[in-house]
Amino acid sequence: SQQGEEDPQALSIQEGENATMNCSYKTSINNLQWYRQNSGRGLVHLILIRSNEREKHSGRLRVTLDTSKKSSSLLITASRAADTASYFCAPASSGDYKLSFGAGTTVTVRA
Amino acid sequence: NAGVTQTPKFQVLKTGQSMTLQCAQDMNHEYMSWYRQDPGMGLRLIHYSVGAGITDQGEVPNGYNVSRSTTEDFPLRLLSAAPSQTSVYFCASSYGSTSSYEQYFGPGTRLTVT
Repeated sequence: SQQGEEDPQALSIQEGENATMNCSYKTSINNLQWYRQNSGRGLVHLILIRSNEREKHSGRLRVTLDTSKKSSSLLITASRAADTASYFCAPASSGDYKLSFGAGTTVTVRA
Repeated sequence: NAGVTQTPKFQVLKTGQSMTLQCAQDMNHEYMSWYRQDPGMGLRLIHYSVGAGITDQGEVPNGYNVSRSTTEDFPLRLLSAAPSQTSVYFCASSYGSTSSYEQYFGPGTRLTVT
């Protein structure tokens, strides 16, 4: 498995604003997964985007995938205080049965 | 469904003590894994299992043992605790290969070794 690299490391936004974070990876993938971790809690799966998909939506979340650039982005629209968390991407290649996680992007939503 | 459960939630050990962290899932998932997370870092894989009776090492296996006698349970054993093993431990499971399926995580066990 390979590790994704999230950017930026930290992000602070006002409630109601949008938050965008990026993920880069090195080798070809079958899918890329995004997870959220609220402080002191376990990771929660947000979205899985397959290599043949370019964009996927889930509620206020929008994920894009550009396999030519080996990158993905996660957009959170109309942010809320509950979106304060760390966000991790995890690229998964064919035959992988485990995921590798980078340091994540820490998002703080200010009231 | 309870999902992935972990016990205990918190544990303090003295250097040299041994203990077992418990992990169970009720989703009939074949794949299970253990990660550790240190402050400001991502998760690092300790051990994983692709089915009952099959386990393998991850990135940081030293000092830990696992076994998988049933589909539901995947305990992690610390053989002789060291301060470097102070961390938060997460268990995860998935229906199949992560090239197709997402992982479900437990709430974590916060371990302090003094």
